[in-house]
Amino acid sequence: AQRVTQPEKLLSVFKGAPVELKCNYSYSGSPELFWYVQYSRQRLQLLLRHISRESIKGFTADLNKGETSFHLKKPFAQEEDSAMYYCALQGAQKLVFGQGTRLTINP
Amino acid sequence: EAGVTQSPTHLIKTRGQQVTLRCSPISGHTSVYWYQQALGLGLQFLLWYDEGEERNRGNFPPRFSGRQFPNYSSELNVNALELEDSALYLCASSLGLITDTQYFGPGTRLTVL
Repeated sequence: AQRVTQPEKLLSVFKGAPVELKCNYSYSGSPELFWYVQYSRQRLQLLLRHISRESIKGFTADLNKGETSFHLKKPFAQEEDSAMYYCALQGAQKLVFGQGTRLTINP
Repeated sequence: EAGVTQSPTHLIKTRGQQVTLRCSPISGHTSVYWYQQALGLGLQFLLWYDEGEERNRGNFPPRFSGRQFPNYSSELNVNALELEDSALYLCASSLGLITDTQYFGPGTRLTVL
């Protein structure tokens, strides 16, 4: 079965502090993982995917197959990073989402 | 370039009624996906259509159904509405492979009274 777990529903950090949003997955095959973001009053959009190994808006995520994790990190948070973040796993013909983490950056 | 569009924006129905939600994909996209986002449950995969065919469906009862038209737009139908069907229904489109990036619409908010 495919499963994505985001253990933190809410995360609050100060501007300039490092951010880490946790994501753990369960999947027997070779996973493809994504982070989606939803800013206030905007639609859900792709932030990054692990195969591209890009850094988007300063965020990076490394796939750790041993720990079955795909945590999202940013060294210095900015106020505009406040949003809802979803980790997603592409498995057997469907995309499975975690329940999301609401990130709030305090000034 | 126009994004994924969905209609209506909001909908209020009563238990037992039927509802149809509509989605227009980005031009050139052949795949359409439907998700349900109920309060506290995150996004749940409902259906995937590509080239007019249903490719996969999530763990939902048969009263959730849909179709994809030759122009790649799609409808989601829900029969015999139940209170727990109240949710935001999101549509996404992609180029056609399940691994392609999915682009999401704004959603349709369904309230069942």
